[in-house]
Amino acid sequence: NAGVTQTPKFQVLKTGQSMTLQCAQDMNHEYMSWYRQDPGMGLRLIHYSVGAGITDQGEVPNGYNVSRSTTEDFPLRLLSAAPSQTSVYFCASSYGRGNTEAFFGQGTRLTVV
Amino acid sequence: DAKTTQPTSMDCAEGRAANLPCNHSTISGNEYVYWYRQIHSQGPQYIIHGLKNNETNEMASLIITEDRKSSTLILPHATLRDTAVYYCIVRVAYGGYALNFGKGTSLLVTP
Repeated sequence: NAGVTQTPKFQVLKTGQSMTLQCAQDMNHEYMSWYRQDPGMGLRLIHYSVGAGITDQGEVPNGYNVSRSTTEDFPLRLLSAAPSQTSVYFCASSYGRGNTEAFFGQGTRLTVV
Repeated sequence: DAKTTQPTSMDCAEGRAANLPCNHSTISGNEYVYWYRQIHSQGPQYIIHGLKNNETNEMASLIITEDRKSSTLILPHATLRDTAVYYCIVRVAYGGYALNFGKGTSLLVTP
């Protein structure tokens, strides 16, 4: 049982490049989400999914796309990277919408130059 | 979800109890208090949650005041590995999904 796995751990992009941050969970969790964390700040929700085929925007969705074709995977796509997207990205999953704990991945540290 | 207020930072000697306070004076009846922590550069880790009764697990105890306007997370015997940022989060059990992380309390456990 690996929990929530994020790849890559580190990435450097040039402005305008695109990439996909991968997130996978093996706990059969219904809910998955992406957060970003900027230096000295708490986590902010980017996008979330309540099940396969269903996604919605969080607090800071601009510049990011998501899709959820399977229960296990929830990739985050940056279409045209900007320096403002330099951040640490965390993926999380939880069993349901109710009174449950969220499990987080170890993060992807992204630098856009 | 109700707003929470936590001290910016706290110190604790190794082996002593760490008591981390959280104010949530606008909490409503169907909102739970959750605690997470984030050890440097790692993903947040769930610690404990509760509604109105005190809760205890292998990691910590959660004490919620009778009026539910504040709570305290207790790490009974802090170790150096407990040095982390601790987040107090209030959320509705069956409401929105997002966890509203504020800036938390930076706990430093010293030898």
